[in-house]
Amino acid sequence: QMTQSPSTLSASVGDRVTITCRASQSISSWLAWYQQKPGEAPRLLIYKASSLESGVPSRFSGSGSGTEFTLTISSLQPDDFATYYCQQYNAFPRTFGQGTKVEIK
Amino acid sequence: QVQLQESGPGLVKAAQTLSLTCTVSRGSISSGDYFWSWIRQPPGKALEWIGYIHSSGKTYYNPSLESRLTISADTSKNHFSLRLSIVTAADTAVYYCARDDTWVHALNIWGPGTVVTVSS
Repeated sequence: QMTQSPSTLSASVGDRVTITCRASQSISSWLAWYQQKPGEAPRLLIYKASSLESGVPSRFSGSGSGTEFTLTISSLQPDDFATYYCQQYNAFPRTFGQGTKVEIK
Repeated sequence: QVQLQESGPGLVKAAQTLSLTCTVSRGSISSGDYFWSWIRQPPGKALEWIGYIHSSGKTYYNPSLESRLTISADTSKNHFSLRLSIVTAADTAVYYCARDDTWVHALNIWGPGTVVTVSS
């Protein structure tokens, strides 16, 4: 089970934003983060908890290991308003968190 | 850049079988570096991992769907497919195919998704 918090986050352009994902048991660093905009497929942002996918802006970063992980956006941009999902790769089935929607404040 | 595209009926009657195909272009599903995956998203809800198939033919399914699910691949056509039997309204969702990369251990290429509605 993967649990994200908060479910919704209201923020302004330029804010530092942090989203948390907790695993019900240790998953080492086998965690990915995705961004999804309405009507679009998800996009990979971070893999292995902290590795930035090619082409993803450096304002995105991931950290954590074991059961607690965070996705941080250092300075929120207009293009970043979206829903973010974590996914664990430690065990089958590959479960996703319930999502965190980042809204404009 | 590898591209994926889902295709199949957008409307399926309850109790029947949902069949979708994902065509891969600019890349080969025969590569051993990838697992070819299906994910779905019910309206307004979170993503749900369905399962995947490796070029070796090995499959892994979500236990919640395993009794109704078959994922297969046709290397001659460079596509892979999903069949979900005895569908209900709960199977209404956007269905995505995606590439699970064994080097990054994540879904790094996705199809645009296809809407499937189960009608009663």
